[in-house]
Amino acid sequence: NAGVTQTPKFRILKIGQSMTLQCAQDMNHNYMYWYRQDPGMGLKLIYYSVGAGITDKGEVPNGYNVSRSTTEDFPLRLELAAPSQTSVYFCASSHGTGASYEQYFGPGTRLTVT
Amino acid sequence: KNEVEQSPQNLTAQEGEFITINCSYSVGISALHWLQQHPGGGIVSLFMLSSGKKKHGRLIATINIQEKHSSLHITASHPRDSAVYICAVHSGSRLTFGEGTQLTVNP
Repeated sequence: NAGVTQTPKFRILKIGQSMTLQCAQDMNHNYMYWYRQDPGMGLKLIYYSVGAGITDKGEVPNGYNVSRSTTEDFPLRLELAAPSQTSVYFCASSHGTGASYEQYFGPGTRLTVT
Repeated sequence: KNEVEQSPQNLTAQEGEFITINCSYSVGISALHWLQQHPGGGIVSLFMLSSGKKKHGRLIATINIQEKHSSLHITASHPRDSAVYICAVHSGSRLTFGEGTQLTVNP
């Protein structure tokens, strides 16, 4: 199993550009998550999904959009990129949402907006 | 004040030393996770615990629910243990993460 995969690994965007960060998992997990990690800060939840066709906002959703058309894929869309969105983005998935379920993380996408 | 606080923020040790990283939280939780993030950026789960103590190789994690405190211990530390260690608490349906502890083990 590849686990959780993310593309691209690195990206530089100009202010105002848009892009989609891709995330896929092959573990048949219902739950998927997008986090951002800023220097010296804990990971913050952007959006999450409990299954295909169902998404919900996390702590820091502004400036982002997501979709979940299949169980496997959970892309994160940045519209009108801003310098404040410079961060490392992690996608994760889990079989369930309870305390006994481990989250599996992708390798991350390092995004710079200039 | 963050809901999850880790200490220390940075820790440098010599190979072979016993290491302790602490995590305190202020919310009710159903479980606590310890994660490891290597310099390449990947995050892996080390432990998930809701009471008592767990051991895996040279790593030991403990939790005191009454005191809202957890510790991660590394015995006989090695340079390959150098990484960021992250505490995360499971409260409701979400995880809340600490800021991480940067550990450097020198040979």
